[in-house]
Amino acid sequence: AQSVTQLDSHVSVSEGTPVLLRCNYSSSYSPSLFWYVQHPNKGLQLLLKYTSAATLVKGINGFEAEFKKSETSFHLTKPSAHMSDAAEYFCVVSVGWNTDKLIFGTGTRLQVFP
Amino acid sequence: DVKVTQSSRYLVKRTGEKVFLECVQDMDHENMFWYRQDPGLGLRLIYFSYDVKMKEKGDIPEGYSVSREKKERFSLILESASTNQTSMYLCASSSRQGVNYEQYFGPGTRLTVT
Repeated sequence: AQSVTQLDSHVSVSEGTPVLLRCNYSSSYSPSLFWYVQHPNKGLQLLLKYTSAATLVKGINGFEAEFKKSETSFHLTKPSAHMSDAAEYFCVVSVGWNTDKLIFGTGTRLQVFP
Repeated sequence: DVKVTQSSRYLVKRTGEKVFLECVQDMDHENMFWYRQDPGLGLRLIYFSYDVKMKEKGDIPEGYSVSREKKERFSLILESASTNQTSMYLCASSSRQGVNYEQYFGPGTRLTVT
C-alpha cells in the first residue's frame, strides 16, 4: 500500500537560512509525488510534482525536491527562507498507476523567524 | 486559471441538521474529490467521483453522502450532523487527460457543529 511519512510536524528557521522539510514514501509502483503548500486561511496550492522525469524537481517560490528511490525520500528544500514561506506543507503520493487518488501526509508547519 | 469554488467559507450547524456543502469547478475536470482536514491528520478522502452520477467511497465515508448531477458540481451531504464532523472540508478537482494526478483545491469550508 502507498503511504507518506512527514518526519517533522513543526520546523522553525530564521529568515535567510535554508529550509529542509523531510518526506519518506512507500509505494508498490513508481509513484508520482507532490508537495502542496497551505497558507493560513487559504486553499492548498501545488508547489511541485515528480512524475518519473528528472529526479530533481523545481517548483514555485524557489523550492525544489529530489526524488531518491534508494532512500524512498522526497525532501523539500529552499536555499533561503523568506517570511512569506511560513505555512503548512504536505507531501503527497499517488495511490497507483490506474487511479487518480492521492494520499496526503500529516503536514509540516514551517515557522520563519525574522 | 483553474477555479474551484465552495459555497461557504464558514458554516455553523446544530447536531442532527442536514448539511449541504457545494463545490463547483470551471475547468471541465472529470474527477472531483471531498476531503476533510483535521490538525495532525492531514487530509483524508471522504468520497470522490470520476464522472457524472458516479461516486466511490474514500477512506472515511461514514456519516457522509455525495451527489454529482452535473460535471462541474459535486455536493457533500451530512445527513445528520454530529459534533465529530466539525472540521475543515476541502473540495478538489483533477483531469483524467494524461498521467497527471494534480488536484486543484477550493478554499475550504470550516464547519462547526454545535
